[in-house]
Amino acid sequence: EAQVTQNPRYLITVTGKKLTVTCSQNMNHEYMSWYRQDPGLGLRQIYYSMNVEVTDKGDVPEGYKVSRKEKRNFPLILESPSPNQTSLYFCASSLEVGTGSYFGPGTRLTVL
Amino acid sequence: KQEVTQIPAALSVPEGENLVLNCSFTDSAIYNLQWFRQDPGKGLTSLLLIQSSQREQTSGRLNASLDKSSGRSTLYIAASQPGDSATYLCAARARPRAGSYQLTFGKGTKLSVIP
Repeated sequence: EAQVTQNPRYLITVTGKKLTVTCSQNMNHEYMSWYRQDPGLGLRQIYYSMNVEVTDKGDVPEGYKVSRKEKRNFPLILESPSPNQTSLYFCASSLEVGTGSYFGPGTRLTVL
Repeated sequence: KQEVTQIPAALSVPEGENLVLNCSFTDSAIYNLQWFRQDPGKGLTSLLLIQSSQREQTSGRLNASLDKSSGRSTLYIAASQPGDSATYLCAARARPRAGSYQLTFGKGTKLSVIP
C-alpha cells in the first residue's frame, strides 16, 4: 500500500531533550516536506526537500533540522525542543512538485 | 507572499444539500491548487488537484474549479452526506522562485452535514 508513515504518532517530552520524528514513504517520491499545524494558524511549512541531499527552509524553520540521505526518508530533528514547538506535525511527499501531495498521519508533540 | 483564505470557517448543512466551499489566493502565479480533507485527529487526504492550465477537476460527487485571474477556487459537493463531515483545506503551490515550490494552505472550512 502506498503510504507515508511517521513515528512516533504521539510524543510528550521535556524542554531541551533532543528528539527525532521519522518520516518514510514507499512511493519513490522525489519531493518531501514537513509541516506543523496549530489552531488558528493552519498548516505551515517547516522544511522541504526536492531530492536526496537537497533541502531548504520553509516558512517556520527556526528550531528544526532535517536531512535527506535517502530518497524514502526525511527525518525532522528538534535539537533543543521548547514549549512553543508543541504542535501537530505532518510529513508529506509527492512524486514531483507538480503532482498531488500525500500526507502522513501526523505526530502530536507536546513539549513540557 | 501568497495568502490563502477560506470562507466560511464553518458550515452546517442538512443531508442531501449541494454546497460550495470557497478558496481565494492573493498571488495568481500558482503552479497548481489542491483540495484536501482532514478528519479530526487524522492526516490530510487529497481530494482533487487542479493544474494551473486547467479550469476544473471532478471526482465522484466532488467538483473543483479554478479561476486564476480572479484568484479563486471552489469545491462543489453534490448531495452531501454525513460522512462528508470534515475540515476541507485548499492549498496553492507557487511557481518556483529561487527553487522553492512553496505550498500555502488556507485555514480550512469545517463542514458538518446533519442527518
